[in-house]
Formats: sequence, C-alpha cells, structure tokens
Amino acid sequence: DGGITQSPKYLFRKEGQNVTLSCEQNLNHDAMYWYRQDPGQGLRLIYYSQIVNDFQKGDIAEGYSVSREKKESFPLTVTSAQKNPTAFYLCASGHNYSPLHFGNGTRLTVT
Amino acid sequence: DAKTTQPNSMESNEEEPVHLPCNHSTISGTDYIHWYRQLPSQGPEYVIHGLTSNVNNRMASLAIAEDRKSSTLILHRATLRDAAVYYCIRGQGGSEKLVFGKGTKLTVNP
Repeated sequence: DGGITQSPKYLFRKEGQNVTLSCEQNLNHDAMYWYRQDPGQGLRLIYYSQIVNDFQKGDIAEGYSVSREKKESFPLTVTSAQKNPTAFYLCASGHNYSPLHFGNGTRLTVT
Repeated sequence: DAKTTQPNSMESNEEEPVHLPCNHSTISGTDYIHWYRQLPSQGPEYVIHGLTSNVNNRMASLAIAEDRKSSTLILHRATLRDAAVYYCIRGQGGSEKLVFGKGTKLTVNP
C-alpha cells in the first residue's frame, strides 16, 4: 500500500536536545512538506521541498532544519533553538496537482 | 494568512445533510478550492476539490458559487464518523504549499 509513514508516533525529549522526526513516502511524489499543529489551531508550514536536494522555508522555520537527500525521505530536526517545540508534527507529500497525502503525525513533548 | 474564512464550528444530527460554507472572496482565476478533513490525532485527509463546476465524489459534493467567491461542502447524510475539523483551502494543489486555517469543527449528534 502506498502512503506516508511518520515515526515515531510519540516522542519525548528533554529541553536542550535536538530531535529528528522521520517521514518516508512510497508514492513517488516530488514535493514533501512539514507542518506543525498546536492544540485547537490549524496547520502551519515549517519547511517544504519540491525536488530532491532543494527545500524552502515555510512560515515558521526558525529552530528547525530539514534535508532532502532522497525522494522518499524528508526528515525534520527540531533543534534546541526552537523555543516551543512541544506540538503535533505532520508530514505530507504531493505531486503536480494531485491532493496532498498526510502521515498520521508525531506528537513531540519536550520537558 | 489562510485566505479563506470558515465558521469555527457547526453541529448536525446523524443522517441529516450538512452544508459547510467557505468564503474565498480574493481567489485568483487559477486557484482550485480544496477541502480536507482531520479526525482527532490523525493527519488531514483529502475530501474533494474543484475549480468552477460543482463536483461530486463518494465522500461529498462541492458547490462553487458562480463568482467563485464562496463554496459549500455538502455531506449528504452525516454519520458519527464525519465528526472532524474541515479545512477549506485555495491553491494550485500537490506541488504548491497550501495554507491551512483553523477550519470548521463539525459535531455530529446521534
């Protein structure tokens, strides 16, 4: 079955530690996205990539970093510079004008 | 800037039709109207999209105003499984970044 896999589902970290969230897709989509969602809020775009080895900042990129070395993978690193990292993180992929496909998210808690 | 306006919440009864409105008065001629929905603790899922004509699929219908400044997502017979947050988005689609607002939280009463 084609789809997007985000892992892990829940992640706990201590403040000051970097943490990397995984996102893998087998849909052969060119574009991939990372969104952040806070309770009761909509989705805010962190980073997106429309092609391998290229990515752009979204609306709230500060404190985050990404890489796109393979078409299938778009990992997100939440660095210690991110002031409020606790959130629900969603990865998505898309291709041309087809609908976005989302993963089931990673809930990150930093204490 | 989500570029669309939706009511924060709506309520419906099971097996009744639901009409979810969306205002996109500044939409450009090439922007599609997309609808996604998000169940609790899950990623959003695609519902339907359209450009000018009304659209139907197995999940819902999309009615687009003639001037394209508004649209309505129609669930013909709401079920408890339709309780979700519904997002109306304007944009090109899969390779363009889409801006999600807060959406409309739909509650379905048994």
